[in-house]
Amino acid sequence: NAGVTQTPKFQVLKTGQSMTLQCAQDMNHEYMSWYRQDPGMGLRLIHYSVGAGITDQGEVPNGYNVSRSTTEDFPLRLLSAAPSQTSVYFCASSLLQGNTGELFFGEGSRLTVL
Amino acid sequence: SQQGEEDPQALSIQEGENATMNCSYKTSINNLQWYRQNSGRGLVHLILIRSNEREKHSGRLRVTLDTSKKSSSLLITASRAADTASYFCATVPPLGEYGNKLVFGAGTILRVKS
Repeated sequence: NAGVTQTPKFQVLKTGQSMTLQCAQDMNHEYMSWYRQDPGMGLRLIHYSVGAGITDQGEVPNGYNVSRSTTEDFPLRLLSAAPSQTSVYFCASSLLQGNTGELFFGEGSRLTVL
Repeated sequence: SQQGEEDPQALSIQEGENATMNCSYKTSINNLQWYRQNSGRGLVHLILIRSNEREKHSGRLRVTLDTSKKSSSLLITASRAADTASYFCATVPPLGEYGNKLVFGAGTILRVKS
């Protein structure tokens, strides 16, 4: 099993550009989520999904869109990139809704917005 | 907003010594989890302790939980250079703002010198 796979690993954007961060898991996990990690602030939840066709907002959803058309994939879209979105993004999945189960993380996508 | 806050922010010890990290949180929890993050990598789950448990062991790791003080500690015994990483606590509140989603603290950076 590959676990949670994120692409790309690195990306540089100009302000106003859009892009999609890809996330795929092969563990048949119902729960998937996106976090951003900034220095001194830990991880903050952007969006999450508890199954195909179901998504919801986390703590910092503004400027991001998600969709969940299949159990395996959970892409994160930046609609119009801003320098404040410079961060490291992590996708994570779980067998359960995160209630008691452990989260499995991807290796991260480092995004720089100029 | 962060639920868990780790203390200290950074810790430097010699190989073979024990390392203790603390986590405080603000509201009631369902469970508390500890994760490790090596530099430039994703987070890896270490151990989970439920709100009705007081202590849990896994190899060289010992986790305690004091729900009356809303705090937890992670002890790594006989530390090794390979333990150098950031350590995060994550809490799942029973009725959190975002349901039962994990909320991460800012982390403790542990450096083990050989």
